[in-house]
Amino acid sequence: GQNIDQPTEMTATEGAIVQINCTYQTSGFNGLFWYQQHAGEAPTFLSYNVLDGLEEKGRFSSFLSRSKGYSYLLLKELQMKDSASYLCAGMDSNYQLIWGAGTKLIIKP
Amino acid sequence: NAGVTQTPKFRILKIGQSMTLQCAQDMNHNYMYWYRQDPGMGLKLIYYSVGAGITDKGEVPNGYNVSRSTTEDFPLRLELAAPSQTSVYFCASSPPPDRGETQYFGPGTRLLVL
Repeated sequence: GQNIDQPTEMTATEGAIVQINCTYQTSGFNGLFWYQQHAGEAPTFLSYNVLDGLEEKGRFSSFLSRSKGYSYLLLKELQMKDSASYLCAGMDSNYQLIWGAGTKLIIKP
Repeated sequence: NAGVTQTPKFRILKIGQSMTLQCAQDMNHNYMYWYRQDPGMGLKLIYYSVGAGITDKGEVPNGYNVSRSTTEDFPLRLELAAPSQTSVYFCASSPPPDRGETQYFGPGTRLLVL
């Protein structure tokens, strides 16, 4: 079956760094997406990885290891506005997204 | 550009009632999707469309129907609403997914079936 696993909740301190892990099992693989979702709002795109390695985009970076079925999202210099859920989604061989349940990130002052 | 719009924002239905959730996009995307999101769960694909006149079932299509008469609009119909359909519904659109580009989401419709 297809499955995406990520931690349910994480807590971090303002100004610190946090890494949110995601493991995936999909039928075929056409890339891995990360989205941010604030409470009561729609998901918004953060990153897309299809090749192994690290993609850096400002304070956010995303890493992919296809051999391990593993990705992580790294958030640096955390701000209170980063308090949100972070959704990992793998794209399968039919180009459909398989979604994780999301990791709720709580930022403390 | 308005992007993806959805109406209504919130609705309460009685068991057995029917309704249509509206979705429109102005980005000229051929691909459109309907998802539901239950608390603590990932998004589940209900139906999708690859262009006007073409629709297909996703992971959880039972109890729903869709149509796609134009590129812009992709309404979702609920027939005989049940409490299990209480959820947040998101419509999304995208360029062809083999480009590795994001899906763009509407603001969502919160549906409560009592």
